[in-house]
Amino acid sequence: SQQGEEDPQALSIQEGENATMNCSYKTSINNLQWYRQNSGRGLVHLILIRSNEREKHSGRLRVTLDTSKKSSSLLITASRAADTASYFCATDAWNRDDKIIFGKGTRLHILP
Amino acid sequence: EAGVTQFPSHSVIEKGQTVTLRCDPISGHDNLYWYRRVMGKEIKFLLHFVKESKQDESGMPNNRFLAERTGGTYSTLKVQPAELEDSGVYFCASSQVGAKTQYFGPGTRLLVL
Repeated sequence: SQQGEEDPQALSIQEGENATMNCSYKTSINNLQWYRQNSGRGLVHLILIRSNEREKHSGRLRVTLDTSKKSSSLLITASRAADTASYFCATDAWNRDDKIIFGKGTRLHILP
Repeated sequence: EAGVTQFPSHSVIEKGQTVTLRCDPISGHDNLYWYRRVMGKEIKFLLHFVKESKQDESGMPNNRFLAERTGGTYSTLKVQPAELEDSGVYFCASSQVGAKTQYFGPGTRLLVL
């Protein structure tokens, strides 16, 4: 079964607006990470949040984690055209060694 | 510092042919992972090397896939014979032992016709 599921699957917003993407997972985790993939490029690590953390910031990114609901959100503030990409959440757990499991991703499109 | 590199960037082959993908991890990273994303689906784990040893190959779809990491440096993933459903993007990632952040390569886009 799929561990991470991003919501929505696709999102289009105007440049300058905030974009929020959600991720839900099924089993207990150790860490949750968000990755970005620009079209035709590889995956870029954005941010990692540990299971004992509730919120983390990095530049224009804000990640929240609610372990009771097994969900996380990624907020991108003041979006830019360069933010157009697919965003994936990925989880790892103590009982899965270093293996991380990805969701299907959210395709974010920033409109000029 | 050079990142994870993969070769080739694209490969188009016919069903039944053989293709070998290569991954060069970041120097000093003992962990090396292969993932695959089939069109429209999630990125799925294939296998994990620690140095030259296969730590976990539970994600390998079938015995047409063979991964090696001789010498514990670069890795190859061979698909023989390739089938249509093998089309997708194959990602390689590496990390230091104990680190949770994996660094991904740009991927190899495989199209089997």
